[in-house]
Amino acid sequence: DAKTTQPPSMDCAEGRAANLPCNHSTISGNEYVYWYRQIHSQGPQYIIHGLKNNETNEMASLIITEDRKSSTLILPHATLRDTAVYYCIVILQGGSEKLVFGKGTKLTVNP
Amino acid sequence: DTEVTQTPKHLVMGMTNKKSLKCEQHMGHRAMYWYKQKAKKPPELMFVYSYEKLSINESVPSRFSPECPNSSLLNLHLHALQPEDSALYLCASSHPRQGLGYGYTFGSGTRLTVV
Repeated sequence: DAKTTQPPSMDCAEGRAANLPCNHSTISGNEYVYWYRQIHSQGPQYIIHGLKNNETNEMASLIITEDRKSSTLILPHATLRDTAVYYCIVILQGGSEKLVFGKGTKLTVNP
Repeated sequence: DTEVTQTPKHLVMGMTNKKSLKCEQHMGHRAMYWYKQKAKKPPELMFVYSYEKLSINESVPSRFSPECPNSSLLNLHLHALQPEDSALYLCASSHPRQGLGYGYTFGSGTRLTVV
């Protein structure tokens, strides 16, 4: 599976959009980009995933660049409860059973 | 039921003790996982069970012994642990043929302290 690079930490003001970047320059054509988050002392939680097109659900939006070498997770109106570690993971469709976590980005939403 | 339930939530054990962690799900998932997470680190995969059979062991020391008695239950038996084994132990489940990351559901974990 391709590796990802994320900034170790980011800050965001409550009510503003949080934009979390992820680089995955070695991604292959059949690998998906997934985002999970882990709120302190809880298990990781699925947020969103995509292959090529931008995706949106009730939690977030995912913007993937045309060359697929990077993506951005957008939380449109961050709240204090969005403070968490956000993991960007690249997974081969129908591939390994493993979900392998990188170091992630610690997002702190400030009042 | 869309949850993975882990018990106990907290466990303190001595280095000579034997204890077990329990994980249960009723979503019909046929793959179950144990992860270990040290403070300020990402979760690390330990074991994968697929259709109640051990399919992946990430070179975990034998003092950790997994067991999958049925499709809904996953145990992790602990014996002769070391203080450095203190961590959050996470259980997860998914449909093994789905091959999609969003199918992973995690429990809240067991916080283990070895004294």
